Amino acid sequence: DVKVTQSSRYLVKRTGEKVFLECVQDMDHENMFWYRQDPGLGLRLIYFSYDVKMKEKGDIPEGYSVSREKKERFSLILESASTNQTSMYLCASSAPGMVETQYFGPGTRLLVL
Amino acid sequence: GENVEQHPSTLSVQEGDSAVIKCTYSDSASNYFPWYKQELGKRPQLIIDIRSNVGEKKDQRIAVTLNKTAKHFSLHITETQPEDSAVYFCAASKLGPDKLIFGTGTRLQVFP
Repeated sequence: DVKVTQSSRYLVKRTGEKVFLECVQDMDHENMFWYRQDPGLGLRLIYFSYDVKMKEKGDIPEGYSVSREKKERFSLILESASTNQTSMYLCASSAPGMVETQYFGPGTRLLVL
Repeated sequence: GENVEQHPSTLSVQEGDSAVIKCTYSDSASNYFPWYKQELGKRPQLIIDIRSNVGEKKDQRIAVTLNKTAKHFSLHITETQPEDSAVYFCAASKLGPDKLIFGTGTRLQVFP
């Protein structure tokens, strides 16, 4: 059974802080994704990675960066948090070479004050 | 790039009735169309998907239909039950190492 975990369920940060969100999967998946979920906007792709040390921009990468030093771990970094980055952040992974059946983590609800 | 539109944004039905959610996509090269269900406070989970080489796929009370010519696909839920209440997302992509483009979601409420 695929397990995708995220480091925090809830997080409160101040404007300007550097924020790290971590995602770990235990199924040797090569593909990993970071989305943000906002009411009425659905799931929007921030960054994704098809392999270690590889990253590609999604649809809304501004204000974010990522790190993939190990295959099982994909980190999302908010370099200088802003209030408009208050959102639900979801990590997902999928089987090698394919985007089918993305397995999602439980999400991190981030509040930036 | 691909754009996916989803309607309606909210849908309320009586238990036992059918529910239909529709999505349109813009990229004619897209060939994979999954549907995810997200219950309140939980993570999205794949419930059914369809590839462009078939027009319809069923799994018990849920079915998905695809019209490639019109570039739209729909989720059909029959004999709805209260546990069907959730947010449903459609998505589209090209098979292979590509990204999913999600619709904006439909909140389905099934009243007993």
